[in-house]
Amino acid sequence: KAGVTQTPRYLIKTRGQQVTLSCSPISGHRSVSWYQQTPGQGLQFLFEYFSETQRNKGNFPGRFSGRQFSNSRSEMNVSTLELGDSALYLCASSSEPSGSKNIQYFGAGTRLSVL
Amino acid sequence: AQSVTQLDSHVSVSEGTPVLLRCNYSSSYSPSLFWYVQHPNKGLQLLLKYTSAATLVKGINGFEAEFKKSETSFHLTKPSAHMSDAAEYFCVVSDRRGGSQGNLIFGKGTKLSVKP
Repeated sequence: KAGVTQTPRYLIKTRGQQVTLSCSPISGHRSVSWYQQTPGQGLQFLFEYFSETQRNKGNFPGRFSGRQFSNSRSEMNVSTLELGDSALYLCASSSEPSGSKNIQYFGAGTRLSVL
Repeated sequence: AQSVTQLDSHVSVSEGTPVLLRCNYSSSYSPSLFWYVQHPNKGLQLLLKYTSAATLVKGINGFEAEFKKSETSFHLTKPSAHMSDAAEYFCVVSDRRGGSQGNLIFGKGTKLSVKP
């Protein structure tokens, strides 16, 4: 079974631009969560989607948005990029939504650098 | 609210010696607890999980962790370190309510160095 696939692996953008990251979950998984990882803040939850609906959202500004498609693939978008958005963005999939004891499986991440 | 504290930001051991990575959690009800490992430039890999079954949990690559409710601890151990164990380790508690912290609440991580 293929794991969680994130594309692209690396991105370089400049301030003010927007970016879209993609995540393909494990086959059969309907829950996708996104996390931002930085050296200073560690791993922080961005949002979770289950069956195309956003279930939870972390404490990030509205510039961060996401969506999930009918095939469970998910995208996250960051508009008007700031230097502080430079981070590793991780996607995780699971078979059930948050609130259960299910395991989340992580992709390798997309490393975003904002210049 | 649930939280998790990893007591050491960096641990250094010699190859072949035991590993102990410490984690304390705070939870208002019975938690699910996990340890994940992250190798450089890689995503997170699940090492083991505790979900209210046996208190001693065995994971992959010889790691195990013991859930101690009285001490609110979930320390990760391995009898003999290998060079390939050098990585960052995250203790994670699952917040079944979700919300703004999300399903998983991560500790700050412990970097494990293994000296030859």
